[in-house]
Amino acid sequence: GQQLNQSPQSMFIQEGEDVSMNCTSSSIFNTWLWYKQDPGEGPVLLIALYKAGELTSNGRLTAQFGITRKDSFLNISASIPSDVGIYFCAGLRSGGSNYKLTFGKGTLLTVNP
Amino acid sequence: NAGVMQNPRHLVRRRGQEARLRCSPMKGHSHVYWYRQLPEEGLKFMVYLQKENIIDESGMPKERFSAEFPKEGPSILRIQQVVRGDSAAYFCASSLNGHPNEQFFGPGTRLTVL
Repeated sequence: GQQLNQSPQSMFIQEGEDVSMNCTSSSIFNTWLWYKQDPGEGPVLLIALYKAGELTSNGRLTAQFGITRKDSFLNISASIPSDVGIYFCAGLRSGGSNYKLTFGKGTLLTVNP
Repeated sequence: NAGVMQNPRHLVRRRGQEARLRCSPMKGHSHVYWYRQLPEEGLKFMVYLQKENIIDESGMPKERFSAEFPKEGPSILRIQQVVRGDSAAYFCASSLNGHPNEQFFGPGTRLTVL
């Protein structure tokens, strides 16, 4: 099955810095989701996006559903040490099922205090 | 409210043995999904079940893998005659209505095949 292209693979930043990561696909998606996975745990949903152009915030997190419906980005502002983890984008492809999530490979975020 | 529970959290098997992974969905949830995560990879869909029914098993390997979600008890992912390539983290998610933003994930079972 197709995977999403997620970048960057990893990021090392200082506490307080802003972070941006994105996902792209050659296919159109009608739902984008962003998850965070802590070591040894399952993914936890951060933000869900359903419309092209939609911009949604959750605290210090902001995500956007790209106009072309083939990409999405996640921004984290003023990072803190507990932001450390792996961030995954996931989506539902247009014309596909409404439950079979396609995941990116993840972005590993390290925050230096 | 208890979340999705999976056990065991870690499982070690020798090649050729069987692995049985259990998933108890959140209370009231009748939709269960299994995903596999290889090292440094994203999760990949394996199977979607509702009580006593397999809805979509398109992501399951054709041989050795099976899944069930009986009327009573947890969902079971069964891997027969395990091989080293089966080593991975297996995650279960459950949802109330089958909506994608309502898939709540369990902590996973990490299978190691020696």
